Amino acid sequence: EVQLVESGGGLIQPGGSLRLSCAASGHTVSSTYMSWVRQAPGKGLEWVSIIYSGGTTYYADSVKGRFTISRDNSRNTLYLQMNSLRAEDTAVYYCATNYYDGTGYYPDAFDIWGQGTMVTVSS
Amino acid sequence: QSALTQPASVSGSPGQSITISCTGTSSDVGSYNYVSWYQQHPGKAPKLMIYDVSKRPSGVSGRFSGSKSGNTASLTISGLQAEDEADYFCSSYPGSTTVLFGGGTKLTVL
Repeated sequence: EVQLVESGGGLIQPGGSLRLSCAASGHTVSSTYMSWVRQAPGKGLEWVSIIYSGGTTYYADSVKGRFTISRDNSRNTLYLQMNSLRAEDTAVYYCATNYYDGTGYYPDAFDIWGQGTMVTVSS
Repeated sequence: QSALTQPASVSGSPGQSITISCTGTSSDVGSYNYVSWYQQHPGKAPKLMIYDVSKRPSGVSGRFSGSKSGNTASLTISGLQAEDEADYFCSSYPGSTTVLFGGGTKLTVL
């Protein structure tokens, strides 16, 4: 069974940095497309970033230049390094795998999700 | 790009069918078949219900179906059940290395 477990969230002051981790079991992070999606309290979902199996990365405009997605193949873990944090980054952050139906990956379809980790940016 | 537009709420009685709309533009929903739908119960992670406009992942009930016409995608739930009460989100990939989500629709089963 594929499982994703996020960690690293917490309370951080504006301008601070935080690194989120997403430990995977049951599948190999380096062989799949993986993404971060966030959800502000009481709000909708917002896509944050994706890393392809080949290592190519993309970011939402709202986090470009501040967040970095990466992975450690030896630890089978996905990361999100978040710098210059703002109040509007406050959200539950989910890692998720992009759906693969045997023919290709779907960039907007996320089939396995972690439980989420809460990030609160406040002074 | 702006978020996709969904109604804030819909409701239906057990056994009935309901449809949730998701309106985008000719640059996203109208141009690509990348439309997905998610179900989210309170305090839980979202669950993928529909991808590629109308395809269901393994294990998703056949009561859930998706379609698209022009710039608007739709999720239909037939034979409404109490456990269907949840928030539903649509998503689309406009081919620009970003992903758009709708604002979400709260489904109430009366």
